[in-house]
Amino acid sequence: DTEVTQTPKHLVMGMTNKKSLKCEQHMGHRAMYWYKQKAKKPPELMFVYSYEKLSINESVPSRFSPECPNSSLLNLHLHALQPEDSALYLCASSHPGGVADTQYFGPGTRLTVL
Amino acid sequence: KQEVTQIPAALSVPEGENLVLNCSFTDSAIYNLQWFRQDPGKGLTSLLLIQSSQREQTSGRLNASLDKSSGRSTLYIAASQPGDSATYLCAVTPDSNYQLIWGAGTKLIIKP
Repeated sequence: DTEVTQTPKHLVMGMTNKKSLKCEQHMGHRAMYWYKQKAKKPPELMFVYSYEKLSINESVPSRFSPECPNSSLLNLHLHALQPEDSALYLCASSHPGGVADTQYFGPGTRLTVL
Repeated sequence: KQEVTQIPAALSVPEGENLVLNCSFTDSAIYNLQWFRQDPGKGLTSLLLIQSSQREQTSGRLNASLDKSSGRSTLYIAASQPGDSATYLCAVTPDSNYQLIWGAGTKLIIKP
């Protein structure tokens, strides 16, 4: 199984809502990532978890809160977002620092903030 | 600071042609380089990964080369098909901390 799954596929939320994005992988990878991608731009790294511990936070606003409950699951909790946060949110996983460390990406969640 | 550039930004060719996409990077101290494909509004699919000690990787009609000393990689697509139409991104890992530095991508259109 070389698949990373993300739910939901699409999400529309108001600026006062609280919602969560979910990412799951069953490849035994111990590094998981959240990226944000705006249209016609490359992905921007937001967070990296390594062995279920947050190892990198790229100065992301606190309205984005990541969580890694176990080695297969990664969540991104959203609260009080702004319209400029509308983007494609991508999750990825890999072996941390191994030789075969290709990052496997999920299909993404298309987020629209009204 | 590592920077990755992809040229051209867009490319349109007739079906059946062989083509080359280019990726250049400013710092040759890389751990690996990856080529990805992204269809509109979709996630990314890893196509090829080249470790810093390798010169090329092949998968089907795709061949990626790496020249660290000159800071260049190419993605060669043989006998292009309309299904190859997508945006192709290259990304380098500057060291073993698995942070990818991305190029802006090349949007490829294969005309039937």
